[in-house]
Amino acid sequence: RKEVEQDPGPFNVPEGATVAFNCTYSNSASQSFFWYRQDCRKEPKLLMSVYSSGNEDGRFTAQLNRASQYISLLIRDSKLSDSATYLCVVTEYSSASKIIFGSGTRLSIRP
Amino acid sequence: NAGVTQTPKFQVLKTGQSMTLQCAQDMNHNSMYWYRQDPGMGLRLIYYSASEGTTDKGEVPNGYNVSRLNKREFSLRLESAAPSQTSVYFCASTDRSYTEAFFGQGTRLTVV
Repeated sequence: RKEVEQDPGPFNVPEGATVAFNCTYSNSASQSFFWYRQDCRKEPKLLMSVYSSGNEDGRFTAQLNRASQYISLLIRDSKLSDSATYLCVVTEYSSASKIIFGSGTRLSIRP
Repeated sequence: NAGVTQTPKFQVLKTGQSMTLQCAQDMNHNSMYWYRQDPGMGLRLIYYSASEGTTDKGEVPNGYNVSRLNKREFSLRLESAAPSQTSVYFCASTDRSYTEAFFGQGTRLTVV
């Protein structure tokens, strides 16, 4: 079983739609959680951190459920510029921390 | 504002050749990482280093070696390149709080 699993998509939705991505992680010792965005042939960049209390940044809302080992990202009022691959990321702290990426969910927004 | 710098950006190797991918960060970060990304897939961790002088294997370390030369630099070496190592390689670094990983622009490697 992969350490971080995501629905690969692709999701193809019209502009203005609301879209949700899910992610599950296998290691209950995981301590930090993030969503990254990756544009085609570019390096990943941090979109937002994910907290148990949930957090919102404009049109983006992220949620963490530690009991179910589940992370979500909600994008409201989607824009053409939101088209990208969204990567779920988990950090495991030990004597040497690891940052584990999911395989990514591809989102395409159509006019 | 260099951040994380990777060299080279592109490389074509013949099977069996060796090469070293260079990575340097100027943010005084402790942890550094090497990932590979194959078409349509996420990033898979090859090796990581929590501090100068320490390295650990990730998910896909076979066929690679790394060296954490100092706090700034973390290199990845392919001793005998194989076509299966054709990929995009990303280097990343984080500080102790692990609030954000910063990436280099990637090295696009083709092994023929």
